[in-house]
Amino acid sequence: GQNIDQPTEMTATEGAIVQINCTYQTSGFNGLFWYQQHAGEAPTFLSYNVLDGLEEKGRFSSFLSRSKGYSYLLLKELQMKDSASYLCAVVDSNYQLIWGAGTKLIIKP
Amino acid sequence: GAVVSQHPSWVICKSGTSVKIECRSLDFQATTMFWYRQFPKQSLMLMATSNEGSKATYEQGVEKDKFLINHASLTLSTLTVTSAHPEDSSFYICSARDLEEEAGELFFGEGSRLTVL
Repeated sequence: GQNIDQPTEMTATEGAIVQINCTYQTSGFNGLFWYQQHAGEAPTFLSYNVLDGLEEKGRFSSFLSRSKGYSYLLLKELQMKDSASYLCAVVDSNYQLIWGAGTKLIIKP
Repeated sequence: GAVVSQHPSWVICKSGTSVKIECRSLDFQATTMFWYRQFPKQSLMLMATSNEGSKATYEQGVEKDKFLINHASLTLSTLTVTSAHPEDSSFYICSARDLEEEAGELFFGEGSRLTVL
């Protein structure tokens, strides 16, 4: 079966750095997305990785290792507004998105 | 950036009625649109893949006769919840990929919250 694993909840302090991990087992791989979702809203795109390595975009960076079936989202200089759920999603061989359950990130002052 | 618009944003209906939700790509063409459903405290679940000019592909466990999908043009897909019941109350979200982008980012609509009384 297809499976995406990410921690259910994480807590971090404002101004700090947090890394959210995602491991996957899917039928084929056509890329991995990270999305941010605030309660009651649709997810918003953060990053897309299809090749191994680190992609940096401002305070957010995403890393992918296809051989390990592993990705992480790194958030730096945390702000209170970063409190949200972060969703990892893999595009499988049929171009379907396989979603993780999401990681609820709680930022404390 | 690209915009995907959903309408209505929220709808309340009586049990047994049908509700139609529209998903439009405003500034790009999409041969494929995806419909998702999110129940409280759960992640988005893919319901079906909407293909322009052909039948939608439904995920296992999703009733195709209950959730009718029509993708009549490259910019519009509709989801009709037929004979809605309270258990169909959920947050429905569509997404689309730009035809011009190869495996590019997926753009999401704002979501439609359905409440069935």
